[in-house]
Amino acid sequence: GAVVSQHPSWVICKSGTSVKIECRSLDFQATTMFWYRQFPKQSLMLMATSNEGSKATYEQGVEKDKFLINHASLTLSTLTVTSAHPEDSSFYICSAGGGSPPYEQYFGPGTRLTVT
Amino acid sequence: GEDVEQSLFLSVREGDSSVINCTYTDSSSTYLYWYKQEPGAGLQLLTYIFSNMDMKQDQRLTVLLNKKDKHLSLRIADTQTGDSAIYFCAEELTGGGNKLTFGTGTQLKVEL
Repeated sequence: GAVVSQHPSWVICKSGTSVKIECRSLDFQATTMFWYRQFPKQSLMLMATSNEGSKATYEQGVEKDKFLINHASLTLSTLTVTSAHPEDSSFYICSAGGGSPPYEQYFGPGTRLTVT
Repeated sequence: GEDVEQSLFLSVREGDSSVINCTYTDSSSTYLYWYKQEPGAGLQLLTYIFSNMDMKQDQRLTVLLNKKDKHLSLRIADTQTGDSAIYFCAEELTGGGNKLTFGTGTQLKVEL
């Protein structure tokens, strides 16, 4: 199956700083990538849908100025958490999709962000 | 809006069958999926079913779909300790732009 990587796998940063998370599809071209966050023992919440070459579509309640998404190529999407605060600490997971039905999404391994 | 519910926890003995249940509210789904998540990792697609099917079998996995009751289940035969993980059902809606709505997740614990 297709492989999606994320970098870094974990990051600890100080409150007020910005953190960039990369999501790469390694062996296929992903026209659409999705960003999720997951709190401990909870489900995945979709944050935004990222389409190559266009602006991301954010879900209701997600601050687009705080969570900057860039999908500059068919193999790379980035999520930047700006001015991070402790409440932004979470597990961030990306997925890449496309192709034929059932339009399977391939998930990255996730990035654990801890803001101190 | 859509709402996808699962029971939180299931414990089974090794070798027994596990049945994980999922209920959803939105009937305009195209595909329904089952994903597995091991600790600290991303999601792995286990299987999926198209909404006009009522059953799909894939090796040890059997998916049952009752559209009338909006109920989806995943049966794992001969459950092994390596099956211990969190299982999420997910719904893809017609015209939803391939977005998935995930269930609340069921933690499966397999005991010796």
